[in-house]
Amino acid sequence: QKEVEQNSGPLSVPEGAIASLNCTYSDRVSQSFFWYRQYSGKSPELIMSIYSNGDKEDGRFTAQLNKASQYVSLLIRDSQPSDSATYLCAVGAGGGADGLTFGKGTHLIIQP
Amino acid sequence: DTGVSQDPRHKITKRGQNVTFRCDPISEHNRLYWYRQTLGQGPEFLTYFQNEAQLEKSRLLSNRFSAERPKGSFSTLEIQRTEQGDSAMYLCAIAAGTQPQHFGDGTRLSIL
Repeated sequence: QKEVEQNSGPLSVPEGAIASLNCTYSDRVSQSFFWYRQYSGKSPELIMSIYSNGDKEDGRFTAQLNKASQYVSLLIRDSQPSDSATYLCAVGAGGGADGLTFGKGTHLIIQP
Repeated sequence: DTGVSQDPRHKITKRGQNVTFRCDPISEHNRLYWYRQTLGQGPEFLTYFQNEAQLEKSRLLSNRFSAERPKGSFSTLEIQRTEQGDSAMYLCAIAAGTQPQHFGDGTRLSIL
């Protein structure tokens, strides 16, 4: 049974600070990793993908992957109130062509 | 614009009725996925098509569920003899080549 674990939160972060979201996964053969943002009542929106160990930066977002520790994280710099949402970690076994296994999501609140 | 349209946006039906949802990729995407999401949970994988071939089907998908993608473009998901537990958001995701999946707006199913 593939599992993806996230702290459900809520995680409260002051505006302008760095928000750090974490995710662990159980399937060692996982090769593709994604972060989706979901606003209440809306569908998930892809914000980051990462496939190899290390950091990947895109604007205010940085994804970090450590396959040895089976750990993925997302950092959001200069947090804005509009970043308040649920962040879903998703893991794929292959190169991204298979069905993804999602965590339950972390509810992030950015306090103005 | 996510590149995928889902119809209807909201479906209300009585227990025991059959329902059908449609997913229309706006442009050509060879991979198409169906997921189900209930409140407080991450999306749960149901099935996956590459072009018109159904390549993967979750063990969680009961025999009341069936999906088709007859010409490798749009897809339908049918639920027969709906039950209360089928109430959820049904999400379609598309991807081209090895690119990450992008979700449509979803169909919210409510069973009375």
